[in-house]
Amino acid sequence: GENVEQHPSTLSVQEGDSAVIKCTYSDSASNYFPWYKQELGKRPQLIIDIRSNVGEKKDQRIAVTLNKTAKHFSLHITETQPEDSAVYFCAASQGTSGTYKYIFGTGTRLKVLA
Amino acid sequence: ETGVTQTPRHLVMGMTNKKSLKCEQHLGHNAMYWYKQSAKKPLELMFVYSLEERVENNSVPSRFSPECPNSSHLFLHLHTLQPEDSALYLCASSQGIGGVKNEQFFGPGTRLTVL
Repeated sequence: GENVEQHPSTLSVQEGDSAVIKCTYSDSASNYFPWYKQELGKRPQLIIDIRSNVGEKKDQRIAVTLNKTAKHFSLHITETQPEDSAVYFCAASQGTSGTYKYIFGTGTRLKVLA
Repeated sequence: ETGVTQTPRHLVMGMTNKKSLKCEQHLGHNAMYWYKQSAKKPLELMFVYSLEERVENNSVPSRFSPECPNSSHLFLHLHTLQPEDSALYLCASSQGIGGVKNEQFFGPGTRLTVL
């Protein structure tokens, strides 16, 4: 079936360093790739997304890259700060009947050490 | 609270109980979703509704029964649950049909414990 693999499951970085999280998806029909951040005890919130017609997107310290041929996409966080500590989920989806079936990765727990 | 709300936030129930989870969205969206979030597992999509019609049912056991009376409200009726059903149940909504944004907005979740 459709699945999304996400690595690493945990990641510790020093404050100011960069963090990279990678995802691989199986369904070649996927055309939308969001990244969600979930802080402890809180709801997942969208931080950045990318559509299949774009290879890279950047928003301040956060960027996402997509390689459709390889079915890979990655989240890059530069100049990490303690408040970046959270669990990050990638997802792959396609639109069907006006809805979007997200297949989520297993999550990456990022710890930014001060 | 605006956006997507869920009640109750915490629920403890026995295996023979019947309870319901409620989700309400104040965003004018047309699509709503139920997810199950267990420790060390990906968010599992359970049900998808578009304009009150169920469009996705991901092989969820019949002890979970969704209901969508209108585009703003979504319920998950629970009956004869098992301890392994203990998890965080998240509701989400998106613009849906006719919308241009794919983003799903999540509620705060209901933490369910089945004894």
